[in-house]
Amino acid sequence: DVKVTQSSRYLVKRTGEKVFLECVQDMDHENMFWYRQDPGLGLRLIYFSYDVKMKEKGDIPEGYSVSREKKERFSLILESASTNQTSMYLCASQYGGVNTEAFFGQGTRLTVV
Amino acid sequence: KNQVEQSPQSLIILEGKNCTLQCNYTVSPFSNLRWYKQDTGRGPVSLTIMTFSENTKSNGRYTATLDADTKQSSLHITASQLSDSASYICVVKVVGGSYIPTFGRGTSLIVHP
Repeated sequence: DVKVTQSSRYLVKRTGEKVFLECVQDMDHENMFWYRQDPGLGLRLIYFSYDVKMKEKGDIPEGYSVSREKKERFSLILESASTNQTSMYLCASQYGGVNTEAFFGQGTRLTVV
Repeated sequence: KNQVEQSPQSLIILEGKNCTLQCNYTVSPFSNLRWYKQDTGRGPVSLTIMTFSENTKSNGRYTATLDADTKQSSLHITASQLSDSASYICVVKVVGGSYIPTFGRGTSLIVHP
């Protein structure tokens, strides 16, 4: 079974803190994604990566950065957390190709206070 | 304007009843459409994928249909169970090598005993 593991299920951080969300996949997938999910808005793409050290901005990259130093690990960084970044964060990975399935992690519920 | 529209936004049904969720899309050129199920507090999991040439596909009590001419898809759930309570998300991919799918905002289904 494909496994995409996010480092935390729940996280509470203070405004201004630097926050790291980690995601690890065990299937040698080329592509990895970070989404945030808010009620009524669905999943919105923050960043994605199609190879090690490669990254592309998604629809809402402001306030976020990413790192992919190894193929299996994709990190999302909130440089200075703000309350409007309180959300559910989902990581996904998939093989390259159009018809391949994206596998999601269990999500990290981040609360910024 | 979201290019993948789902309806209804939410739905409440009694256990044992059938229901149909709708997905209309405008993204093109169309490659495939996938339905995901997302349990509360979990990441989405793929139910089925529809490619251009497919009209109907079943996965247990779930049956997806696709009309590529009208750009509509539906997900029919037969004999609903309490475990069907979840958000159902329609996701469309385009031809042309893009890794990025377009997500609908989901339909929230609640099945009452």
